Amino acid sequence: QKEVEQNSGPLSVPEGAIASLNCTYSDRGSQSFFWYRQYSGKSPELIMFIYSNGDKEDGRFTAQLNKASQYVSLLIRDSQPSDSATYLCAVVSGGYNKLIFGAGTRLAVHP
Amino acid sequence: KAGVTQTPRYLIKTRGQQVTLSCSPISGHRSVSWYQQTPGQGLQFLFEYFSETQRNKGNFPGRFSGRQFSNSRSEMNVSTLELGDSALYLCASSPLEGLGYEQYFGPGTRLTVT
Repeated sequence: QKEVEQNSGPLSVPEGAIASLNCTYSDRGSQSFFWYRQYSGKSPELIMFIYSNGDKEDGRFTAQLNKASQYVSLLIRDSQPSDSATYLCAVVSGGYNKLIFGAGTRLAVHP
Repeated sequence: KAGVTQTPRYLIKTRGQQVTLSCSPISGHRSVSWYQQTPGQGLQFLFEYFSETQRNKGNFPGRFSGRQFSNSRSEMNVSTLELGDSALYLCASSPLEGLGYEQYFGPGTRLTVT
């Protein structure tokens, strides 16, 4: 079992729709969770971070964390073609000594 | 505020050589982490430095080393390069010590080993 798992996609959604990206992790002690967006040929860009169970909203983005089920998700409302990128989920291990990235989910928003 | 900068942006080296990569964090950030990104393995954590001390280390061989200077700038060194070291090397900075806080990535150094 991989430590952080994401569906590789591509996830294809029409413009204006909600894109839902999911991530599961294996370390039950993990406390910090991050979502990064990476455009092709570019470096990762931080979108959201979440530490507590529940939802955290920032503009069109909502991060959801469920520690009991060990998953974290990212919702993108009103998806735009410019949101087309690879989304990386990152989880800090319970000992805070490792930051583990998922392989990423490729999102394609079509007009 | 200027972002994280990395130099050089591109590098071509021969197997067996060594290479040094440089990273300047965002002003005021004292934590610097290094990552390797390859198509096959994805993004993997190399190490984290804070106040000139290595705080955390990933699962990479000893050929990979780093250091941090008093101005928080960091360098990463890879000795005895192998073909498999070809990758995008990313540096990230954070305002706080430890990996549990948000990190901001630089543009990366693309290393090609021939």
